[in-house]
Amino acid sequence: GENVEQHPSTLSVQEGDSAVIKCTYSDSASNYFPWYKQELGKRPQLIIDIRSNVGEKKDQRIAVTLNKTAKHFSLHITETQPEDSAVYFCAAGLFMDSNYQLIWGAGTKLIIKP
Amino acid sequence: EAGVTQSPTHLIKTRGQQATLRCSPISGHTSVYWYQQALGLGLQFLLWYDEGEERNRGNFPPRFSGRQFPNYSSELNVNALELEDSALYLCASSQQRGLTEAFFGQGTRLTVV
Repeated sequence: GENVEQHPSTLSVQEGDSAVIKCTYSDSASNYFPWYKQELGKRPQLIIDIRSNVGEKKDQRIAVTLNKTAKHFSLHITETQPEDSAVYFCAAGLFMDSNYQLIWGAGTKLIIKP
Repeated sequence: EAGVTQSPTHLIKTRGQQATLRCSPISGHTSVYWYQQALGLGLQFLLWYDEGEERNRGNFPPRFSGRQFPNYSSELNVNALELEDSALYLCASSQQRGLTEAFFGQGTRLTVV
């Protein structure tokens, strides 16, 4: 079945620097890749997603890139700010046995140092 | 528009008891997903309901079960509670089966003592 690996598990960057979180997936049939942000004590919320027919998508300071050949996708956050501190989850979505399923990465704790 | 709501927010049970957690999806959403999030860890998929039927379940024992009602709200039942069942249980809903945003509830913190 599908497996999603997420790295690193913890990332500490200086405020203003960029942060990159990477995920790899195993099933080439996966075709939807969302990223969720979970702030401390809050629910996960979608911040950006990408579908397999697109290689890159940007939304202000965040961007996601997808390499279907290598089966990996990455979240890029530029000009990091204290409010970016959170746990970030990637996921890969695919249909399995006529059912749609999101397979989640283990999460990355992003720490923004002032 | 009201978001996904879960009840109760906190639940304390003793080992061996049963717990019932509830989720109300966003109006118009037919899919409900349940996840377990142990402290400091990732999201583990439990169950997926769509149009009143169980569509998929994660790698959890049968004592984790649930159902979806005609109004698309859902219940998660955990029987014979064990200490390691202590976790945050998150419910999410989406508008259609498949490639669309899932909206999460605030979760139910279950503590088994």
